[in-house]
Amino acid sequence: QLQLQESGPGMVKPSETLSLTCVVSGASIGSSGSFWGWIRQPPGKRLEWIGSIYYDGSAYYNPSLRSRLTISIDKSKNQFSLNLTSVTAADTAVYYCAKRPPGYGMDVWGQGTTVTVS
Amino acid sequence: DIQMTQSPSTLSASVGDRVTITCRTSQSISNWLAWYQQKPGKAPKLLIYKTSSLQSGVPSRFSGSGSGTEFTLTISSLQPDDFATYYCHQYKSYSEGFTFGPGTKINVK
Repeated sequence: QLQLQESGPGMVKPSETLSLTCVVSGASIGSSGSFWGWIRQPPGKRLEWIGSIYYDGSAYYNPSLRSRLTISIDKSKNQFSLNLTSVTAADTAVYYCAKRPPGYGMDVWGQGTTVTVS
Repeated sequence: DIQMTQSPSTLSASVGDRVTITCRTSQSISNWLAWYQQKPGKAPKLLIYKTSSLQSGVPSRFSGSGSGTEFTLTISSLQPDDFATYYCHQYKSYSEGFTFGPGTKINVK
């Protein structure tokens, strides 16, 4: 059964870089033909799509975050990662990773990891 | 970017009620719309994709309809497990970015 698990620091200082990793188990990230994405949810607010990466390494970013964001994929470790630079308190949120087959919604989600910028 | 609204923002209902949530987008997204259910402290769960396709394992009391800029999620007979927050999500194109609606919370009447 496919599972996703986020990992990263629970707290990051303002102006520093937030780095998160999503480890995929139960399927090969390089052969599934799916998009792998990051979504966040600030406390009490709606979900926000951060960006996604295809198994071939093509990355797609939320225009509002593009200048600070890098998403990468490591097929040898079956994981994908997020780097968000120059963080502020506005980046405090629960961060989720998720899988999206082409044409579908996000059908498998990680449990989420809370990141506080302080 | 494509803006999204949902109505109502909160809905009070009883078990057995028929419930409808509406989602509107600022421009046409064809049928590239999904619905999710989220419970407190949990990740969202995909219910409906491509406007009206039921995700595997989701009860048939959930249904979706619409096209263009107006979409609905209907729960035909609300069950105790359905009290949660529901989000719509457009995924028309990566170049324009994906967005989520503000959510509709269903609580006990």
